[in-house]
Amino acid sequence: GAVVSQHPSRVICKSGTSVKIECRSLDFQATTMFWYRQFPKQSLMLMATSNEGSKATYEQGVEKDKFLINHASLTLSTLTVTSAHPEDSSFYICSARSQVGETQYFGPGTRLLVL
Amino acid sequence: AQSVTQPDIHITVSEGASLELRCNYSYGATPYLFWYVQSPGQGLQLLLKYFSGDTLVQGIKGFEAEFKRSQSSFNLRKPSVHWSDAAEYFCAVGDTGGFKTIFGAGTRLFVKA
Repeated sequence: GAVVSQHPSRVICKSGTSVKIECRSLDFQATTMFWYRQFPKQSLMLMATSNEGSKATYEQGVEKDKFLINHASLTLSTLTVTSAHPEDSSFYICSARSQVGETQYFGPGTRLLVL
Repeated sequence: AQSVTQPDIHITVSEGASLELRCNYSYGATPYLFWYVQSPGQGLQLLLKYFSGDTLVQGIKGFEAEFKRSQSSFNLRKPSVHWSDAAEYFCAVGDTGGFKTIFGAGTRLFVKA
């Protein structure tokens, strides 16, 4: 099956700093990538939908100025958590949808801990 | 609005026993339905999906699911559970346009020896 990678797998940062998370589709081109957030023992909550070459569409309640999303190419989307605070600590998961099929392929996730 | 309900927060079964995880959905048209599995600290792995056609869908790792339109259900089954099946299972529904996927709350499966 298709492979989606995320980097880093885990990151610890100080409060007030910014953190960038990369999501790459390794063997297919993804016109659409999705970013999710998952709190411990909870389900995935969609944060935003990222389309290559256009602005991301954010879900209600998600601060677009805090969670910057860039989908610069058909294989790469980045999520930048700006001025991170402890409440931003979470598990962030991306997924990518291929141009051909309808299945989303998920990355392994990035664990963010803000101290 | 789309929604997915997984009534069971957690389920415990004995190794070798059969398993059924329940999933009910709310959607205006024929939905795209998925089951994913997540091991601790990991991303999601697709077990199976239903788009159209045969309502009994076979997936990986010996799992299957049956789409029942009349009951708005898409329950996941496995005839004989292995200890390695212990994980969190998510049912999800996708729209036919942008394929925005809505996830259920998940069911944690515990397998006892």
